[in-house]
Amino acid sequence: EMQLVESGGNLVQPGGSLRLSCAVSGFTFSDHYMDWVRQAPGKGLEWVGRIRDKAKSYTTQYAASVKGRFTISRDESKNSLFLQMNSLRIEDTAVYFCVRETQSPDTSWYYYMDVWGKGTTVTVSS
Amino acid sequence: SYELTQPPSVSVSPGQTASITCSGDKLGDRYACWYQQKPGQSPLLVIYQDKKRPSGIPERFSGSNSGNTATLTISGTQAIDEADYYCQAWDSSTPYVFGSGTKVTVL
Repeated sequence: EMQLVESGGNLVQPGGSLRLSCAVSGFTFSDHYMDWVRQAPGKGLEWVGRIRDKAKSYTTQYAASVKGRFTISRDESKNSLFLQMNSLRIEDTAVYFCVRETQSPDTSWYYYMDVWGKGTTVTVSS
Repeated sequence: SYELTQPPSVSVSPGQTASITCSGDKLGDRYACWYQQKPGQSPLLVIYQDKKRPSGIPERFSGSNSGNTATLTISGTQAIDEADYYCQAWDSSTPYVFGSGTKVTVL
């Protein structure tokens, strides 16, 4: 069974830092791009960022709202994904989901998010 | 930045057809995805690449995309289909852009 299990969510003060982790099992982690998506309380989904695979040199992309503050990394030996969040703001309060991307078998440039974790809650408040 | 617009809510009677729209500039030139999210749960992919269903998704879920509008259709809607539905498309600056979500109520 494919599983993505997030951890590390907590209450943190504005300006603080937090590191989220996502433990992956049930599929070949190294074959997939991975993402973080967040959802503020009572709001919709917001893409946070992605990290590609080794073939694409583990390059990353970020939403404008977090660029320069958040960093995504992965550890293939531990089947884990990470999100380092610095300079946290009140508006970063959300549930953070770890998400797997899969490449379309018939359209090589097209990827979609097909497996989601249950999420971990980050609250930024003084 | 690219924007996707969805109606806030859609109501449907059990057994009837629900249509949820997602509008964006030349959306038909991009692929659309749809996610279902029930309260307290993580999103579930129900349609990708405009009209493909992942394994395990019932046939009553179908998708289309043309012009400026993508549509998720739920045929023979059941009470278990009551949820929030989000569309998503690609953009050159942001790989994943989500719509604002539509709450489907089965009356």
